Amino acid sequence: ETGVTQTPRHLVMGMTNKKSLKCEQHLGHNAMYWYKQSAKKPLELMFVYSLEERVENNSVPSRFSPECPNSSHLFLHLHTLQPEDSALYLCASSQEATYNEQFFGPGTRLTVL
Amino acid sequence: RKEVEQDPGPFNVPEGATVAFNCTYSNSASQSFFWYRQDCRKEPKLLMSVYSSGNEDGRFTAQLNRASQYISLLIRDSKLSDSATYLCVVTSGGSYIPTFGRGTSLIVHP
Repeated sequence: ETGVTQTPRHLVMGMTNKKSLKCEQHLGHNAMYWYKQSAKKPLELMFVYSLEERVENNSVPSRFSPECPNSSHLFLHLHTLQPEDSALYLCASSQEATYNEQFFGPGTRLTVL
Repeated sequence: RKEVEQDPGPFNVPEGATVAFNCTYSNSASQSFFWYRQDCRKEPKLLMSVYSSGNEDGRFTAQLNRASQYISLLIRDSKLSDSATYLCVVTSGGSYIPTFGRGTSLIVHP
């Protein structure tokens, strides 16, 4: 299924690096989400964009910076991360207005050295 | 109290068994409820929505109990392929921001 794609699938970076995660959805949805999934913890919502406007930011550190240039694309820019930021980063999309099924991308497995 | 709570398990059951999971939620204004399934090292995928009247899809039955603020998932005639983590998801009224539980791990063995 290629409804939501994410690149890269795996990323290893040092603490001083700058990198970006990319998400693209081909479903015509208006809302896009970034989640962090760490071992043995619930999915943590990081950012939500609706119609390209950020509507939710769950007190995420500023070393994570999202960008939503249009309703089909979502980026997560990473800068000076910490080892505890190593996790699976999942992108999702859904129809806006009312809550419908969220479609997830395969995720980016991030390791910070 | 956590917003959405699930027993992490694992629930270890033989093929053919019936198994049930519960998920409790703290916000009485919650309006939408879902069960997602997540296979190892894969993304979550919607298993089924949970309606007030309950709903059934093949071997899977979901129920909502608003009075006690929990939802349940019943799996009958378990298959090996049912082995996965089952995530409970709740959204509050007027919002489409979901809250995920930490998931319940199910292992079905031969």
